[in-house]
Amino acid sequence: EVQLLESGGGLVQPGGSLRLSCAASGFTFSSYAMSWVRQAPGKGLEWVSSISARGGSTYYADSVKGRFTISRDNSKNTLYLQMNSLRAEDTAVYYCAKPGYCSSTSCSHFDYWGQGTLVTVSS
Amino acid sequence: EIVMTQSPATLSVSPGERATLSCRASQSVSSNLAWYQQKPGQAPRLLIYGASTRATGIPARFSGSGSGTEFTLTISSLQSEDFAVYYCQQYNDWPLYSFGQGTKLEIK
Repeated sequence: EVQLLESGGGLVQPGGSLRLSCAASGFTFSSYAMSWVRQAPGKGLEWVSSISARGGSTYYADSVKGRFTISRDNSKNTLYLQMNSLRAEDTAVYYCAKPGYCSSTSCSHFDYWGQGTLVTVSS
Repeated sequence: EIVMTQSPATLSVSPGERATLSCRASQSVSSNLAWYQQKPGQAPRLLIYGASTRATGIPARFSGSGSGTEFTLTISSLQSEDFAVYYCQQYNDWPLYSFGQGTKLEIK
């Protein structure tokens, strides 16, 4: 059974930092690119960042570029999101998500999502 | 950036009736389109991928259609558990995924 378990959320002041983790199990983690998606309170879904299966390529939404860093440790089956220079508008539930399948050049929809971890940026 | 636009924002339908939700892409996404259902306090749940393929365990009353820029999610006979928010997502422009703003399906 595929499981994605996020952790690391919490309350942080504007300008602060936080690192999220996503522990994966039930599939060959090292074979899949992985992504982070967030949802501000009462709002829709926003793609944040993705990382290739081996970690060599990373991608970011313009809203977080230069402030967030995605990484992974395939030996620990864990995905990370380092969030720096946090702003009030980064307040959201952060989900990690697994694609249904990946080719050599792209990946598909998300077939599994974690339960999410809440990040609140406030003074 | 591919912009996904869903309509309507809110849809009021009675149980047992049919619901039709729309999603439009700002440029062609071929059939690389998924639909998700989200209930309060829960993570999104995959319903449809490839524009028309039901995900594992999804009831046959859910169906998807369309290609290019126009897509539809149809729920043939609404059950009480179907009232939720629905999102479309394109993955044609991977890894630059984008989602629609959502359609809230409420009980009439």
